[in-house]
Amino acid sequence: NAGVMQNPRHLVRRRGQEARLRCSPMKGHSHVYWYRQLPEEGLKFMVYLQKENIIDESGMPKERFSAEFPKEGPSILRIQQVVRGDSAAYFCASTAVAISSYEQYFGPGTRLTVT
Amino acid sequence: AQKITQTQPGMFVQEKEAVTLDCTYDTSDPSYGLFWYKQPSSGEMIFLIYQGSYDQQNATEGRYSLNFQKARKSANLVISASQLGDSAMYFCAMRGAGGTSYGKLTFGQGTILTVHP
Repeated sequence: NAGVMQNPRHLVRRRGQEARLRCSPMKGHSHVYWYRQLPEEGLKFMVYLQKENIIDESGMPKERFSAEFPKEGPSILRIQQVVRGDSAAYFCASTAVAISSYEQYFGPGTRLTVT
Repeated sequence: AQKITQTQPGMFVQEKEAVTLDCTYDTSDPSYGLFWYKQPSSGEMIFLIYQGSYDQQNATEGRYSLNFQKARKSANLVISASQLGDSAMYFCAMRGAGGTSYGKLTFGQGTILTVHP
């Protein structure tokens, strides 16, 4: 059973370009969370999605950031017009059930560098 | 709102000795889960141990144990018999059980553990 997959692992974008980060949850998992880790900091929640639904996007910046989890295919975190402050590691995690006792399985992360 | 505090930016331990990494939390949820993750220099997040708020006994997983003191709102990680491979960043995290928490994790700032030979 493959784990959570994220691609690309490393992404370099120039200021003003778009970044698309992909996350394939573990088989059978329908809950996906995205987290951002700025340098030297802990992970911060961004958005929680179920298939075809955004449930909680309280951690997402209001502009330039969007997320989706279509019926088929991976979850996508999209950052438009990237700025240097978007440079970070972006992790997604999946779980089978969104309650406190269930472990969230993390992907390896995507390291975004904005030049 | 949930909050996790890790007050030790860095810790040092001699190989084969035990070390305790501190974590305090704050929440108004009656039910919650507490997690510890390890992040080595390669960057991935590795799950170590879980403690439920209603669990009567402290969680243990091999060399890892969680010293859970609910009244003091602390969930310290104890690593016994440290190994060089334990050198990494360690994060304490909390997950709410319902309402608008939706199971998202709230992380502390992390503690960098260095194991000396």
